[in-house]
Amino acid sequence: QKEVEQNSGPLSVPEGAIASLNCTYSDRGSQSFFWYRQYSGKSPELIMSIYSNGDKEDGRFTAQLNKASQYVSLLIRDSQPSDSATYLCAVLAYSGAGSYQLTFGKGTKLSVIP
Amino acid sequence: EAQVTQNPRYLITVTGKKLTVTCSQNMNHEYMSWYRQDPGLGLRQIYYSMNVEVTDKGDVPEGYKVSRKEKRNFPLILESPSPNQTSLYFCASSLTVGQPQHFGDGTRLSIL
Repeated sequence: QKEVEQNSGPLSVPEGAIASLNCTYSDRGSQSFFWYRQYSGKSPELIMSIYSNGDKEDGRFTAQLNKASQYVSLLIRDSQPSDSATYLCAVLAYSGAGSYQLTFGKGTKLSVIP
Repeated sequence: EAQVTQNPRYLITVTGKKLTVTCSQNMNHEYMSWYRQDPGLGLRQIYYSMNVEVTDKGDVPEGYKVSRKEKRNFPLILESPSPNQTSLYFCASSLTVGQPQHFGDGTRLSIL
C-alpha cells in the first residue's frame, strides 16, 4: 500500500506570513506530485503540479520536490484569509501491469488569521 | 465551459436498492476516476479508467462497479448499497494518467 503522509493540522499562520505545508511519500518510484486545495464542502481544485526535483513557482505558491528524501512541500507566501482551506498532497506511482495508483494524503487544514 | 458533471448531487436511499451515480466530462479526457471522501480517511480511489473499455481497481473497490463505454462517461454503480457506503463521492478526469485532475462537484450519498 503506497502511503502519503501529511500533518493534519490545523496549521495557523497570521495574515501576510509564509505557510509551509509538507508531505512525505513511501514509493521511491513516484512520478507525479500534486497539491490541491479544498474548501469545506467543495471539491478539490489544483494548486500546483510538479514532476522533477527542485522548485516550481506560480504566483504566491511554490512547490518543492526532493525525490531523494521522498518529500514534497508547498509554500504559500503573503498568506491571505482566503487561503484558509484543507490542502491535499497527491502522489502518482506506477503499480505494475500497466496500472497506476494516485494516492492522496489526508490533508492539512490551514487557517490564516487576519 | 470545461467541466466534470456528476448527478445526483445528493441522494438518500435504503440498503440494497441499486443506484447509479453518473459522471460526464466535456474535455475529451482519457483518464477518469472515482473517489470517496470520509472524515479522517481522506480521499480514497475506488476505480479508475485510463481509456474507453479500460478500467482498474483503486484502493477501495469492494461494493462498486464501473463501466467506460464512451470516453465522456464513467458511471459508478452500487449494486446493493450498504450503510458503510454512505460518503461524499467525487468523479475526476484528466487528459492522461499523469496530468492534474479536474473534479466534479461531488455527490453526497446517504444509505439508510
